[in-house]
Amino acid sequence: SQQGEEDPQALSIQEGENATMNCSYKTSINNLQWYRQNSGRGLVHLILIRSNEREKHSGRLRVTLDTSKKSSSLLITASRAADTASYFCAPSEIQGAQKLVFGQGTRLTINP
Amino acid sequence: EAGVAQSPRYKIIEKRQSVAFWCNPISGHATLYWYQQILGQGPKLLIQFQNNGVVDDSQLPKDRFSAERLKGVDSTLKIQPAKLEDSAVYLCASSSYHYNEQFFGPGTRLTVL
Repeated sequence: SQQGEEDPQALSIQEGENATMNCSYKTSINNLQWYRQNSGRGLVHLILIRSNEREKHSGRLRVTLDTSKKSSSLLITASRAADTASYFCAPSEIQGAQKLVFGQGTRLTINP
Repeated sequence: EAGVAQSPRYKIIEKRQSVAFWCNPISGHATLYWYQQILGQGPKLLIQFQNNGVVDDSQLPKDRFSAERLKGVDSTLKIQPAKLEDSAVYLCASSSYHYNEQFFGPGTRLTVL
């Protein structure tokens, strides 16, 4: 099964700046999901983009998907201290159990 | 709607002991997942249930780990006997269907001494 690989592994920016995280995967997908995990807590679903969609917005979040390049990006605009967290992409396999396979995530730190 | 409930939140045991975790998914969610998350890594799927049947358990160490989902609702994950490398956070998640968004519980932090 495939794994979402996030890049960069760590990102540190100033409050108010935009943060961009990238994800690459290996094979065909049903959809791709992004999750956030604050330190020591469970994961929270942020956004789901289907394989036939190219871009999706949710509040300050913008996700793009390029199935020809097998890549996705998550943009957080006007970052806030509360955005400090680890962000994971999780491609959903098109075959079999269609399970999600998480990568190691991007650790985002927003500096005041 | 109530979220995914897990208990206990924390557990400390010695190696070779047994431990069990409990999960109550969101009402009506057919799919239930157990993940293991080691510090600094992403969650790794251990087992996926669809109602009370196992869909995927390819990464479950079956010599020591077992899981069941009674009546397609609550689930328990057991480790017997525990090893030092089992120290991790065990996350339970549920979804209305297997490729939809997953809702995670707070997790159980297991420390094996």
